[in-house]
Amino acid sequence: DIQMTQSPSTLSASVGDSVIITCRASQTILYSLAWYQHKQGQSPKLLISTASSLRHEVPARFGGRGSGTEFTLTISGLQPEDSATYYCQQLKSFPYTFGQGTKLEVK
Amino acid sequence: QITLKESGPTLVKPTETLTLTCTFSGFSLSTTGVGVGWIRQPPGRALECLAVIYWDDSKHYSPFLQSRLTITKDTSKKQVVLTLTDVAPVDTGTYFCAQFISGTKFDYWGQGALVTVSS
Repeated sequence: DIQMTQSPSTLSASVGDSVIITCRASQTILYSLAWYQHKQGQSPKLLISTASSLRHEVPARFGGRGSGTEFTLTISGLQPEDSATYYCQQLKSFPYTFGQGTKLEVK
Repeated sequence: QITLKESGPTLVKPTETLTLTCTFSGFSLSTTGVGVGWIRQPPGRALECLAVIYWDDSKHYSPFLQSRLTITKDTSKKQVVLTLTDVAPVDTGTYFCAQFISGTKFDYWGQGALVTVSS
């Protein structure tokens, strides 16, 4: 299986700040990476697919980059509603494994 | 408008079989490139992809659970059913179904179904 490692595990930032979440794959996955936002008690929401394609209706302050084994999710101009856990997921080969998550608190 | 909704028991006894149904609308599971997957989240833990069924009836199963999982679809009823046999407390968690698109993303998700395995 392809292992996905996210860092950091937790993150605290202030409204208006920018943060970067990193996701590393144990082997190359080309551009087959998605990012999800998950708030407690809700279903995960797709933010980005194929490493950098922003899903419609997702604010432009969310951005994804990377290829191969290293990927980043950048959130600029943090808003209180961005508090959530963020997951990366590889879709290169099944099982489509997720990272362990990054819990973001926006103060 | 695309929606998915999970249904099934909230409490299952150890060794029993868990059957969950995903009822969806707004898309067809006979469209090329479309699939439906099941993802679960144990309490306090990360998401885990269990199984995916595709428009052509091909299937993928988590290697760790393959011997216990079955996924099937009824295209006309717009339903996907997941069965997990011989459940144990470690199978407790929230089970989500989601629309899978062209090998690139789980786009729309159901609200999730909380399942507890306990005697």
